[in-house]
Amino acid sequence: EPEVTQTPSHQVTQMGQEVILRCVPISNHLYFYWYRQILGQKVEFLVSFYNNEISEKSEIFDDQFSVERPDGSNFTLKIRSTKLEDSAMYFCASHVETDQPQHFGDGTRLSIL
Amino acid sequence: SQQGEEDPQALSIQEGENATMNCSYKTSINNLQWYRQNSGRGLVHLILIRSNEREKHSGRLRVTLDTSKKSSSLLITASRAADTASYFCAATGNQFYFGTGTSLTVIP
Repeated sequence: EPEVTQTPSHQVTQMGQEVILRCVPISNHLYFYWYRQILGQKVEFLVSFYNNEISEKSEIFDDQFSVERPDGSNFTLKIRSTKLEDSAMYFCASHVETDQPQHFGDGTRLSIL
Repeated sequence: SQQGEEDPQALSIQEGENATMNCSYKTSINNLQWYRQNSGRGLVHLILIRSNEREKHSGRLRVTLDTSKKSSSLLITASRAADTASYFCAATGNQFYFGTGTSLTVIP
């Protein structure tokens, strides 16, 4: 069964540095998402992406964050200048239509030092 | 906010017993979904119930939805040790809001 893949599985970065988290959604999916889960807390919606543009974003998704689908397969989340509080698991998800279940990757654990 | 909120936060039961988790949300939804998360892994979709449905079954899972009370429940029957995980409801409107989750422990 096709799956959503995320790389790297763990990223350690110094505060203030830029990070790019990568995701390869399932190939025939059209809607893409990034979520964040701080350790021990709930999964928080960051952004949704459709037709090469952001369709919705949460208040967490400020100017430090950006998303891109540069080549039709990868879907990336960039954090420009990381803060300590950006430490979390970041999950990518995709689905074919908005009323269908989302398929999640296994996440990238981001640790900011 | 359309956030889902589950209760209880933690539930511990013996293998073979049934586990019931509840979810409440705040505004109108298109559908409500339940996901499972094993420690350190991504979320796995379990079941989706649309806003015009009241009950849905899938194997040992039974989900109900009461849109007048803005609540849903997930029942896992005849629980197994492998069901040990966190369970989240997700209220789906324009965005996708996950609840805080119920941590289920099934004791063999």
